[in-house]
Amino acid sequence: EVQLVESGGGLVQPGGSLRLSCATSGFTFRSYSLSWVRQAPGKGLEWLAYISTNSASVYYADSVKGRFTVSRDNANNLLFLEMNRLRGEDTATYYCVKEQTPASWDLWGQGTLVTVSS
Amino acid sequence: QSALTQPASVSGSPGQSITISCTGSSSDVGAYRYVSWYQQHPGKAPKLVVYDVSNRPSGASFRFSGSKSGNTASLTISGLQSEDEADYYCSSYTSNSTRVFGSGTKVYVL
Repeated sequence: EVQLVESGGGLVQPGGSLRLSCATSGFTFRSYSLSWVRQAPGKGLEWLAYISTNSASVYYADSVKGRFTVSRDNANNLLFLEMNRLRGEDTATYYCVKEQTPASWDLWGQGTLVTVSS
Repeated sequence: QSALTQPASVSGSPGQSITISCTGSSSDVGAYRYVSWYQQHPGKAPKLVVYDVSNRPSGASFRFSGSKSGNTASLTISGLQSEDEADYYCSSYTSNSTRVFGSGTKVYVL
């Protein structure tokens, strides 16, 4: 089955860190670029980070640049998002997404909820 | 990296056609044919319905069609049905290789 499954979300205090993982199956992982997208409760979608097939190119939204790091493990079909210096406004459901063409994502995970609160 | 501009809501009666706009700039929507549209029902992950301005992925209804003129892209839903009531988002590739979403549009079927 073709799927993306995020994990690693939870409750974290402001200023803390969290590492999200995305396990993939059913497609040739190393052949596709991937991104992370989030959605705050009751709000719209926000693109966060992109990583190319061989990790040579990574790009970030200004809102997370310098705090979040995207990486991938092509040997084990895994995508990661390291999140540091977390803030209340980072509270959201985080999705990993498979890119079909630039800015078109044809496969989404179910999302993992990150709550930043004391 | 400002969000692309979409109307907050659009409504229509069953069977009618509606159009949702997505306005960006010459650095994103106007510069590339990399504009996509997503449908999101409450509590669900978004679903791709149009990519590269006007292409439909397999499994997307033929009632969804996309177009672009200058810095504005559009999604048209024809033969509106009750199940089309959802949130819709556009996305675009940008000149600095980042990606950006639209602000989102709630579609109401009257």
